[in-house]
Amino acid sequence: EDQVTQSPEALRLQEGESSSLNCSYTVSGLRGLFWYRQDPGKGPEFLFTLYSAGEEKEKERLKATLTKKESFLHITAPKPEDSATYLCAVPGLRTGNQFYFGTGTSLTVIP
Amino acid sequence: GAGVSQSPSNKVTEKGKDVELRCDPISGHTALYWYRQRLGQGLEFLIYFQGNSAPDKSGLPSDRFSAERTGESVSTLTIQRTQQEDSAVYLCASNEASGKETQYFGPGTRLLVL
Repeated sequence: EDQVTQSPEALRLQEGESSSLNCSYTVSGLRGLFWYRQDPGKGPEFLFTLYSAGEEKEKERLKATLTKKESFLHITAPKPEDSATYLCAVPGLRTGNQFYFGTGTSLTVIP
Repeated sequence: GAGVSQSPSNKVTEKGKDVELRCDPISGHTALYWYRQRLGQGLEFLIYFQGNSAPDKSGLPSDRFSAERTGESVSTLTIQRTQQEDSAVYLCASNEASGKETQYFGPGTRLLVL
């Protein structure tokens, strides 16, 4: 069964302390892996899409990478405003229309 | 509008009542998705529309849930005879077509069933 798993569930960092979030997936025939940021009380906000192993994308302090089985979201020198829940998602193989979301990593950056 | 909008933003109802949740997708987006997000949990797929048709209803949790879309635009998610376990945030997303295109989300409707 197609599945997406994120780790850790929660992460507390000091401002400036770099780290990585993990998203592993079991869906076969990957047709994209999506990263979203979700702030409390809001809908997910799109960050990145990765389509093939080895691909990397960057936006400010965030860099997303993709291998054949997992993706990492690297956060370099985070700031308190980076605090949010980060979600990853993949489209399912069966229908292509159903996106499978992980449960997210709740990131807190302490000043 | 520039983004996906949803209404109401918050809804409190009594157990057993029916509720209707509305989604206005980004103009021109043919695909529309409904998700449910329970407190502290991930997004649970409910239903997908391509145009006004719903080829994938596999995520609807029970026959109390239904959805429709008209004019390849507005969609309504209806929950009949609400139960306390229906309390959640209901999110709507849209994109230009199904498959691997990025989905853009609305702010959600927070439903509380007392």
